Amino acid sequence: AQSVSQHNHHVILSEAASLELGCNYSYGGTVNLFWYVQYPGQHLQLLLKYFSGDPLVKGIKGFEAEFIKSKFSFNLRKPSVQWSDTAEYFCAVNGPDNTDKLIFGTGTRLQVFP
Amino acid sequence: DAMVIQNPRYQVTQFGKPVTLSCSQTLNHNVMYWYQQKSSQAPKLLFHYYDKDFNNEADTPDNFQSRRPNTSFCFLDIRSPGLGDAAMYLCATSEEQGSYEQYFGPGTRLTVT
Repeated sequence: AQSVSQHNHHVILSEAASLELGCNYSYGGTVNLFWYVQYPGQHLQLLLKYFSGDPLVKGIKGFEAEFIKSKFSFNLRKPSVQWSDTAEYFCAVNGPDNTDKLIFGTGTRLQVFP
Repeated sequence: DAMVIQNPRYQVTQFGKPVTLSCSQTLNHNVMYWYQQKSSQAPKLLFHYYDKDFNNEADTPDNFQSRRPNTSFCFLDIRSPGLGDAAMYLCATSEEQGSYEQYFGPGTRLTVT
């Protein structure tokens, strides 16, 4: 079965530090990849997505992610985090055969201290 | 401004007492989803509707049912909640099949006593 792994469960950073959150998926076929963010007390919202084309994808709030097919990875990056980036971050991949199903990773909790 | 609305935000029910969670959307999206998210775990898809077509995940317990009376509303019925069903239940929508961006509601946190 398809799966998504997020190896960093809890990340603590100071403001202005650089961020990279890992995401690996197991499916070898064509995939669509997503990062969702959940700010404290709020709903899940889309941060960025990759369907095809340029493997470096830019999202909202200065986030970007790079799709590396050979590594089955879609890591999330931000050069300089802010306190307001404190949230839980979920990587997700669409289900096999390009269905609507999203398979989520277990999430990474990011805490940014001023 | 709200797009996917879930009521109630917090629900407490007793062991074995049926409970219904509701979801409504103002986006006029064709696809609606229900996810279960337990503490420190990934959201797990329970089922989804494409219009009126119901799609159950193979590992969704029979205890969980769903209804979609119209485009805007979708309900999650838990017929006999057990302690293991305590979780956050997330509703999401997407515009069409093949349109992969999903819009999530704030979730309903279910407690079973």
